[in-house]
Amino acid sequence: RKEVEQDPGPFNVPEGATVAFNCTYSNSASQSFFWYRQDCRKEPKLLMSVYSSGNEDGRFTAQLNRASQYISLLIRDSKLSDSATYLCVVNMPGGYQKVTFGTGTKLQVIP
Amino acid sequence: DGGITQSPKYLFRKEGQNVTLSCEQNLNHDAMYWYRQDPGQGLRLIYYSQIVNDFQKGDIAEGYSVSREKKESFPLTVTSAQKNPTAFYLCAVQGTGGQPQHFGDGTRLSIL
Repeated sequence: RKEVEQDPGPFNVPEGATVAFNCTYSNSASQSFFWYRQDCRKEPKLLMSVYSSGNEDGRFTAQLNRASQYISLLIRDSKLSDSATYLCVVNMPGGYQKVTFGTGTKLQVIP
Repeated sequence: DGGITQSPKYLFRKEGQNVTLSCEQNLNHDAMYWYRQDPGQGLRLIYYSQIVNDFQKGDIAEGYSVSREKKESFPLTVTSAQKNPTAFYLCAVQGTGGQPQHFGDGTRLSIL
């Protein structure tokens, strides 16, 4: 099983729709979790951290389910500008900071 | 991200040539990373460094070398031993305590 798994998509959704992505991780000792956004031919940019209690930033909501070992990202009222690849990132504990990136889920918002 | 500078933005390598990609940061973070991304693929870790004068191989270190003589700088050399160097190279930095990584805007390397 991969350390971090994401559905590659693409998810094609109309403007205004709500869309959700999940990301599963294999190491139950994982400590911190993030969602990044990557536009075509650009670097990944931090979208939001994911906390146990869940967190919301405008139209974006991130949640963590430790029991089932997955994190989720919900985007409400999708905009054309949300079209991008969304990367799930998991930090493992240890003497060094081991960071594992998912391969990303591609979102295309259609007019 | 502000505070992380990668150069050049585009680089062309001739057959048998070594090229060096620069990554400089002014965020005072200890940890620095180099990733490679091929079209339509995820990030793959080349090398990382947790402290000055120390670095570790990642998953695809063959054909690459690094140095970490200063906290601010973590240059990556793509050697002639790397037979398929065409890719998007990303440098990242990370603070302590499980903080997220932040990326420079990358270098695109192609073969002439």
